[in-house]
Amino acid sequence: EVQLVESGGGLVQPGRSLRLSCEASGFTFDDYAMHWVRQAPGKGLEWVTGISWGSDITGYADSVKGRFTISRDNAKNSLYLQMNSLSSEDTALYYCAKGGVPDEAFDVWGQGTKVIVSS
Amino acid sequence: DIQMTQSPSTLSASVGDRVTITCRASQSISSWLAWYQQKPGKAPNLLIYKASSLESGVPSRFSGSRSGTEFALTISSLQPDDFATYYCQQYNSYPYTFGQGTKLEIK
Repeated sequence: EVQLVESGGGLVQPGRSLRLSCEASGFTFDDYAMHWVRQAPGKGLEWVTGISWGSDITGYADSVKGRFTISRDNAKNSLYLQMNSLSSEDTALYYCAKGGVPDEAFDVWGQGTKVIVSS
Repeated sequence: DIQMTQSPSTLSASVGDRVTITCRASQSISSWLAWYQQKPGKAPNLLIYKASSLESGVPSRFSGSRSGTEFALTISSLQPDDFATYYCQQYNSYPYTFGQGTKLEIK
């Protein structure tokens, strides 16, 4: 079964850091680009960042550029999101999503991990 | 950055109705557009990719179309399971962007 499982969310104070993880199973992880998408409470979807299969290409939303870093470890079938200088605007449910091949629409999603930034 | 303008934000319809949701890109994205369905408390689910290709397992009452930078998702005959929120997304270039969403409600 193709599956993505996120972890690492929680309550964090403004200005602090948090690292999210996404463990993949059921498919050849290093064949696919991967992404993080977030959804603030009661709001729509926001693409956050993406990374190519070989980690050579990354992209970021303007709202997180310079604060968040995406990375992956293909040997561990894992995707990561390092989040620094967090603010209340980063409070959201963070989803890990798999891009397709050759079409890169997001065909598999995890169930999300919740991040709450509050003092 | 490419902006995606989705409309309407809310749509009230009845079972059996034909409904259409539209999405306009601020610049050319070729056909690199996807549609997702999201139900409360659940992750989004891919319905349509490359503007008009139906994802495996998605009912054929869902269809997508493109005219230039205007895209549409049509549900030919609404079923009770279709009442949800729908999002378009461009994946032509980074940063990828989503539309604001359309909540499809029961009339």
